[in-house]
Amino acid sequence: DSGVTQTPKHLITATGQRVTLRCSPRSGDLSVYWYQQSLDQGLQFLIHYYNGEERAKGNILERFSAQQFPDLHSELNLSSLELGDSALYFCASSVDSDNEQFFGPGTRLTVL
Amino acid sequence: GNSVTQMEGPVTLSEEAFLTINCTYTATGYPSLFWYVQYPGEGLQLLLKATKADDKGSNKGFEATYRKETTSFHLEKGSVQVSDSAVYFCALLNQAGTALIFGKGTTLSVSS
Repeated sequence: DSGVTQTPKHLITATGQRVTLRCSPRSGDLSVYWYQQSLDQGLQFLIHYYNGEERAKGNILERFSAQQFPDLHSELNLSSLELGDSALYFCASSVDSDNEQFFGPGTRLTVL
Repeated sequence: GNSVTQMEGPVTLSEEAFLTINCTYTATGYPSLFWYVQYPGEGLQLLLKATKADDKGSNKGFEATYRKETTSFHLEKGSVQVSDSAVYFCALLNQAGTALIFGKGTTLSVSS
């Protein structure tokens, strides 16, 4: 158990819908990262937050957004969902940048 | 830009065989390098890491040496077990320390 929790574990929804994925980092970690794992793209970095502020963006679509709250949990919002958004979404946390990242168990999103 | 290339899988071995999974990288400077492992249905776990040239990371019988001359970080284990069956990902930390860049992953299957 990495200490990073993600909810829900599975999510099934329809095209055009909006969903929110939640992540709670390890106690004491200020950085949260989101990654997408899909069969065709592999594991891709989406976005990084540190202590409530966005630090870096990767290959994140404009339909996707994220935030980190004062209690340090983070949410990834995916809107106008398409079939191709079906993937495993991982959250990771670390004390700060340049430190080891600990991954949560992931949320499996299926868009029908 | 940054990229990681891993050998294609799947790799199929008998128990107690020697394992090598090749990994090479392209990056600016000398990034920290990692091997992560993903067991079926689970998130990613850090297996080992190396933060500078000639460092050797090791854990659970696995080893990898940071070779800047060949920009490589090959994973090795002298005697694999059935319980090592998983997907292995090579990754580098980008220069800003804000994101992990992953290879496509190599599936290892060990039979008794």
